[in-house]
Formats: sequence, C-alpha cells, structure tokens
Amino acid sequence: DAKTTQPPSMDCAEGRAANLPCNHSTISGNEYVYWYRQIHSQGPQYIIHGLKNNETNEMASLIITEDRKSSTLILPHATLRDTAVYYCIVRGLNAGNMLTFGGGTRLMVKP
Amino acid sequence: NAGVTQTPKFRVLKTGQSMTLLCAQDMNHEYMYWYRQDPGMGLRLIHYSVGEGTTAKGEVPDGYNVSRLKKQNFLLGLESAAPSQTSVYFCASSRQITGELFFGEGSRLTVL
Repeated sequence: DAKTTQPPSMDCAEGRAANLPCNHSTISGNEYVYWYRQIHSQGPQYIIHGLKNNETNEMASLIITEDRKSSTLILPHATLRDTAVYYCIVRGLNAGNMLTFGGGTRLMVKP
Repeated sequence: NAGVTQTPKFRVLKTGQSMTLLCAQDMNHEYMYWYRQDPGMGLRLIHYSVGEGTTAKGEVPDGYNVSRLKKQNFLLGLESAAPSQTSVYFCASSRQITGELFFGEGSRLTVL
C-alpha cells in the first residue's frame, strides 16, 4: 500500500471550513483513499473514501487531485465536536491490503 | 443493533498471565480485524479474518493468536502477556474488502 503524509496538527475556527491535506505520491491505479477520524480515545469512525472522482457525503467532501498524488478532506462548517485525529489511508483491493493507520492530523476546532 | 462489541473494556494482567479478548458483531460482516493502539500512535493491525474459519497475520502478530469459529465472533488471545502488550485494542468489521470499517469502543489492557 502507498504511504501517506499528513501534517501532525492543524487548528480551525468554529464555523469555518477545515481543509485537511494528505500526500500520497506513490499511490497506484487501483488504490482507494480513505479518511477516518478518532475522537478522543474512541474507536475510529469512517468518514469518506474515493478512487478518482471527488466525493461528498453528509459529513465531508473529498477532493482528489487529477494525478491522484494528493487529496484534501473538507469539513464545510467545523464544530467543536469535530476536534479529533484524522487519518488518511491508501489501500488496494486485495485481502492482504488492510487499512494501515499512520500518525494522522490532530485537528483542534477553536471557538 | 449493537454494532461491534468488545469484552472486556478494561483488564489488568500480570506478566505471564493469559487472557482472551472477545469481539462480537451483529451486522453479518465477513471481515473482522484486531488492531492495537499505543499512546500517541496510530493503529496497527494484529490479525484479521476474511470469513468464518479463516485468519491471517497483520503487521504485528507476534505474541497473539486469534480464532474465528463463528462468523459473528473474533477472539484475540494472549498466551503469556508481556508489558509490551500494554495497549488499547480495537476490533473492527466490514462487509466488503473495500467497505468501511466499523470499530468497537476499545479494550484497555495493562500488563504489569
């Protein structure tokens, strides 16, 4: 699986959009980009995933660059409850390609 | 629906003792996983299962054994606990290989 690089921490003002970047320059054609978050010490929570096209759901939007070497997770109106560690993960389709969680980005939403 | 349930949530062991962590899911998912998370770190995959009766090693399998005798249950065993196994253990399940993972709330294990 391709390795990902994320900033260790970011701040965001409450009500503003939070844009979390992820670099995955070694991604291969059949690998998906996944985002999870972990609030405090709870189990991680799935947010969104995509292959090539931009994706949107009720939680967030995922923007993947045309060359697929980087992506951005967008939380459109961050709230205090969005304070968490956000993990960007790249994985393929084979059974052995399990989700591997790196250090993630610690997002702090401030009032 | 309870989702993914882990038992126990907290446990303290002495070095050399054995124990089993139980993970149960009620979503009829084929795939199940055990991860560990050390303080300030990301999650690391210990073992996983792609279906009833099957198991496979993940990134950090040494010192652990697993069994998937029933589709809904995935057991993680420590035969001889060591202080290095002090960690928070998370179980997860998914319907498809590319599907989202549903996590349990974690089991905090301390080995003295």
